[in-house]
Amino acid sequence: GAVVSQHPSWVICKSGTSVKIECRSLDFQATTMFWYRQFPKQSLMLMATSNEGSKATYEQGVEKDKFLINHASLTLSTLTVTSAHPEDSSFYICSAEPGVRGNQPQHFGDGTRLSIL
Amino acid sequence: DAKTTQPPSMDCAEGRAANLPCNHSTISGNEYVYWYRQIHSQGPQYIIHGLKNNETNEMASLIITEDRKSSTLILPHATLRDTAVYYCIALINTGTASKLTFGTGTRLQVTL
Repeated sequence: GAVVSQHPSWVICKSGTSVKIECRSLDFQATTMFWYRQFPKQSLMLMATSNEGSKATYEQGVEKDKFLINHASLTLSTLTVTSAHPEDSSFYICSAEPGVRGNQPQHFGDGTRLSIL
Repeated sequence: DAKTTQPPSMDCAEGRAANLPCNHSTISGNEYVYWYRQIHSQGPQYIIHGLKNNETNEMASLIITEDRKSSTLILPHATLRDTAVYYCIALINTGTASKLTFGTGTRLQVTL
């Protein structure tokens, strides 16, 4: 089955530093990947759509300069949280879809728990 | 994408069938019904999806009403490991990858 891998699974860092999260599709190619954020006891909220070879599309209210997305290959998208602050602490999850919409469901990584001190 | 409505929580005894309802009364003809679940501190896991016909796989069965305004996810023999938040999502077929909109889902608690 389709596997999506995220790394790291957990990261703790000081306020003001930048953190990069990787999302890889291990056994399929994905021209589109999605990045979500989930705060405690809340549902997943889409942050942005990552498109291979082009700029990401950000949801309303998500700062593109703070959450940098790079989708340089068909199997890797990265999310960089720049100058992270405690309010950026959250659970970040990516997803990717093999094949054509309606035939193949999206598959999710196991998430990255980010804690900013 | 059509809005879906689910009960906030349900309980189920281990070994019994768990029937999770979802209302999607405004669903359009080309919108699929997808079910995902999220076990605590993990990413969502795909369960099953369907358009019109009932579907079954190794995890669950999906029963869609004839008018497609509602559906039921059935876990035939629930175990403690099925405790999770279950999300029902209606998603239109655009021919390209489409973003999933997660509602609040149903928190299923399986008990001994």
